[in-house]
Amino acid sequence: SQQGEEDPQALSIQEGENATMNCSYKTSINNLQWYRQNSGRGLVHLILIRSNEREKHSGRLRVTLDTSKKSSSLLITASRAADTASYFCATGVSNTGNQFYFGTGTSLTVIP
Amino acid sequence: DAGVTQSPTHLIKTRGQHVTLRCSPISGHKSVSWYQQVLGQGPQFIFQYYEKEERGRGNFPDRFSARQFPNYSSELNVNALLLGDSALYLCASSSPGRTGGLQYFGPGTRLTVT
Repeated sequence: SQQGEEDPQALSIQEGENATMNCSYKTSINNLQWYRQNSGRGLVHLILIRSNEREKHSGRLRVTLDTSKKSSSLLITASRAADTASYFCATGVSNTGNQFYFGTGTSLTVIP
Repeated sequence: DAGVTQSPTHLIKTRGQHVTLRCSPISGHKSVSWYQQVLGQGPQFIFQYYEKEERGRGNFPDRFSARQFPNYSSELNVNALLLGDSALYLCASSSPGRTGGLQYFGPGTRLTVT
């Protein structure tokens, strides 16, 4: 079963607006990563936040992590049509290797 | 440097057949993971290999198996294919650190079982 769940399942916004996606997970983690996927092809890594970090920025992306609530959020500021894609969170569990469990994804549509 | 490569890109098989999917990691990466992504869902973890040893296995039946070769490339094998095995199969490579490394994904193999 999926480790995490993203909310909302689908999001539609106008170009220039901000988009916020949330991820909840179930077990203790080493880190949490956000990925983007276009048209059902390979995933592109966006940002990684470690379990001892609370907030991280990368360009127009801002990620927060609340380990007490087992949740994370991804904020995309000043959205562009090219941001249209599915976004997934993936939790890295504390095990012998890098095993990542993905959420159900948020489908983002940015309307030009 | 080349990214993660997977072959074939697309594959059509019949129920009951066997399939082998291949993955070449990024040069220098010793860990390879396999994921299954059914249409409309997130990827599900199948296997992780590191230094040719299995380091993790997801909740998949024994029909699924994998191996990693001395050059760190990997194969995923699925026997006795079912219609439900139709999915995008993703391979990811990484260079694990103490708290986990970034995973770099290949473009995937689209498997259709008829």
